Amino acid sequence: QKEVEQNSGPLSVPEGAIASLNCTYSDRGSQSFFWYRQYSGKSPELIMFIYSNGDKEDGRFTAQLNKASQYVSLLIRDSQPSDSATYLCAVTRPSGNTPLVFGKGTRLSVIA
Amino acid sequence: EAGVAQSPRYKIIEKRQSVAFWCNPISGHATLYWYQQILGQGPKLLIQFQNNGVVDDSQLPKDRFSAERLKGVDSTLKIQPAKLEDSAVYLCASSSGMGGNTIYFGEGSWLTVV
Repeated sequence: QKEVEQNSGPLSVPEGAIASLNCTYSDRGSQSFFWYRQYSGKSPELIMFIYSNGDKEDGRFTAQLNKASQYVSLLIRDSQPSDSATYLCAVTRPSGNTPLVFGKGTRLSVIA
Repeated sequence: EAGVAQSPRYKIIEKRQSVAFWCNPISGHATLYWYQQILGQGPKLLIQFQNNGVVDDSQLPKDRFSAERLKGVDSTLKIQPAKLEDSAVYLCASSSGMGGNTIYFGEGSWLTVV
């Protein structure tokens, strides 16, 4: 079982819709959870991180964490074509705060 | 604040040749990482430095890859001899290691082995 699993997509949503990206992780002791966005040919950039169970909102983005289910998600409200990118889920191992272990990423396409 | 600098941005070499990548982290960041990202996959950690000491190099193919961070600032990643499967983007990243666990990535060095 891979440490961090994501559906590779592509996930296609119409402009203005809510995009829902999901991620599961195998190590129950993982402590911190991150969502990175990566445009084609560019390096990953941090969108959000979450440590505690529940929801965390930042503008159009909401991260949701459920440690019991070992599940973390990212919701993007009012999706825009500029949100089209690959979204990487990353977790930290229980042994320390870093380094990050990444999933393969989900490719999101927002259709105008 | 200047970001993580990497060079060269692009490199094409033949298999069995050698290549070196250079990274300058964000000023003051004690922790430096090298990640390998193969097309269609997420980044995979190769090595992590804390100042000039190695913290984790468990996924570094040590028969062909080497990395150093002699003065606790800049770092070099070397591949010798290169294989076709080493074609990837090599991402350098740094973090302050002071809470927040925020890692900042450089633009990456794109390697094609032919």
